[in-house]
Amino acid sequence: DVKVTQSSRYLVKRTGEKVFLECVQDMDHENMFWYRQDPGLGLRLIYFSYDVKMKEKGDIPEGYSVSREKKERFSLILESASTNQTSMYLCASSGTAPSYNEQFFGPGTRLTVL
Amino acid sequence: QQQVKQSPQSLIVQKGGIPIINCAYENTAFDYFPWYQQFPGKGPALLIAIRPDVSEKKEGRFTISFNKSAKQFSLHIMDSQPGDSATYFCAARWREYGNKLVFGAGTILRVKS
Repeated sequence: DVKVTQSSRYLVKRTGEKVFLECVQDMDHENMFWYRQDPGLGLRLIYFSYDVKMKEKGDIPEGYSVSREKKERFSLILESASTNQTSMYLCASSGTAPSYNEQFFGPGTRLTVL
Repeated sequence: QQQVKQSPQSLIVQKGGIPIINCAYENTAFDYFPWYQQFPGKGPALLIAIRPDVSEKKEGRFTISFNKSAKQFSLHIMDSQPGDSATYFCAARWREYGNKLVFGAGTILRVKS
């Protein structure tokens, strides 16, 4: 079974803090994604990566950065957390064809910024 | 143009009923349409998916109907059960843009026993 793990289920941070969210997948997948999930807005793509040290902006990259130093690990960084970044953050991974269609999600990290 | 519009926002049905969730899109570059199911405290998981050259796909009690000309697709759950209570997301893959998935806003389904 594919397993995508996220470093924390719940996180509370202060405005202005630097926040690191870690994601690890164990299926040797090339592709990794970070989404945020908000009620009524669905899942919105923040950043994605198709290879080590490679990153692409998604739909809402402002205020975020990412790092992928190893194939299995994809980190989301909030350089200076703000209250409007309070949300559920979901990491996902997918393989290459023919299995690249399915994205496997982690359980999510609920981040609260006070 | 990259949006996927999903309705309704929430849905309550009796056990055995057939909830229907609808999605619509504008971007003709979308080429793959999955549905994800999410239980509380869990990440979304792929439920069923369809390509635009097929009008219907069934997997167990779950059916996707696809209308390419209308740019609409829907999920039907036959003989719904309380265990089907979850949030459902439709999505569309944008192949020209790095195979990204564009998600609908989600539908919270509750099946009453």
